[in-house]
Amino acid sequence: DGGITQSPKYLFRKEGQNVTLSCEQNLNHDAMYWYRQDPGQGLRLIYYSQIVNDFQKGDIAEGYSVSREKKESFPLTVTSAQKNPTAFYLCASSMKGTTLSSYNEQFFGPGTRLTVL
Amino acid sequence: GDSVTQMEGPVTLSEEAFLTINCTYTATGYPSLFWYVQYPGEGLQLLLKATKADDKGSNKGFEATYRKETTSFHLEKGSVQVSDSAVYFCALSDLGNNDMRFGAGTRLTVKP
Repeated sequence: DGGITQSPKYLFRKEGQNVTLSCEQNLNHDAMYWYRQDPGQGLRLIYYSQIVNDFQKGDIAEGYSVSREKKESFPLTVTSAQKNPTAFYLCASSMKGTTLSSYNEQFFGPGTRLTVL
Repeated sequence: GDSVTQMEGPVTLSEEAFLTINCTYTATGYPSLFWYVQYPGEGLQLLLKATKADDKGSNKGFEATYRKETTSFHLEKGSVQVSDSAVYFCALSDLGNNDMRFGAGTRLTVKP
């Protein structure tokens, strides 16, 4: 089955520790994204990558880092510099648009809920 | 920049009631429009989409029509079920953005 996997589903971290969230896709999608969702709120873009070995900051990149060494993988590290890291993190992927009209829709993983103790 | 505005929730309906969730957008280009649904503790699932003006997206009894003249993409369903209880997100994708813009989400609760 093709899809996006995120692990773990629940993650607990002590203050001051870095933690890495995994995101893997076998859809052969070029683009991958990380979003943060806080209770009762919409999605905010953290980082995105259109191609291997390249990525761009989203709206709330401070305190986060990413890498894109392989097409199918886009791990997110939440560093100790992130002041309020407790949230639900969603990874998504999409094919790059082949027309001038728009990109294709994004496909989402099941999410990782991070709690800082 | 591009943005999406959707009606604030929460919305509470009785089973078999008619549902409308309003969504309007601002875009510099000619975006594609989407509705996603999120069930508790899960990621987002694509519900329906439309890629050009007057297109109607439909799925599982839900419908939305791309209205360029009013820059809207309202979600409708004629008869909701308890299983439709979820958070619904309106979104747009525009080549100039390199990403997707989401509304704040509308929580729907359907009571038996």
